[in-house]
Amino acid sequence: DIQMTQSPPSLSASVGDSVTLTCRASQDITNYLAWFQQKPGKAPKSLIFAASVLESGVPSKFTGSGSGTDFTLTISSLQPEDFATYFCQQYNSYPRTFGQGTKVEIK
Amino acid sequence: EVQVLESGGGLVQPGGSLRLSCAASGFTFSSCAMAWVRQGPGKGLEWVSAISGSGGDSSYADSVKGRFTISRDNSNNTLYLQMSSLRAEDTAVYYCAKRAGGYRYGYNDHWGQGTLVTVSS
Repeated sequence: DIQMTQSPPSLSASVGDSVTLTCRASQDITNYLAWFQQKPGKAPKSLIFAASVLESGVPSKFTGSGSGTDFTLTISSLQPEDFATYFCQQYNSYPRTFGQGTKVEIK
Repeated sequence: EVQVLESGGGLVQPGGSLRLSCAASGFTFSSCAMAWVRQGPGKGLEWVSAISGSGGDSSYADSVKGRFTISRDNSNNTLYLQMSSLRAEDTAVYYCAKRAGGYRYGYNDHWGQGTLVTVSS
């Protein structure tokens, strides 16, 4: 199985900051990587697929990059609605696997 | 508008069975692979199972293989997850998700709100 490792597990940031979240795969997944945002008590929401393609309606403040085994999600100009937990998932092979998540909290 | 709505969750005793349903609308259901993902209390997301649009292909996480069965009724736009031999560690919110990109390389682009399954005596 492909292991997905996210770092950091959590971070604190202020409104207006930019943050970068990292996701690493245990083997090459080319660009078959998706990012999801989840708020407490809510379903996950798809943000990015194919490592860097924004879902329709997702603001351009979210930027995904990477290929192979190393990926990043950058969120610029953090706003209150961006404080949430972010998960990555590989869809290169079965079983699909998720990272453990990065919680972005307000400083 | 794409919508997927889960139902069927509840309290079940260890060793018991439960069937989850997911009603889909707003897209051509038979053309889309679908998936189940769960989230235990205070935990991260765990992929459970996926099925192709025709229902001819399916996959399962090792943790549920042999106990859970995914199926679909394309005439009624409904996805199912039959769960048996349930264990305490199966306690979770179960999400139904529509796949974009097909069964082999699809990812979850729309998610339901989830249904809670609690396994306890």
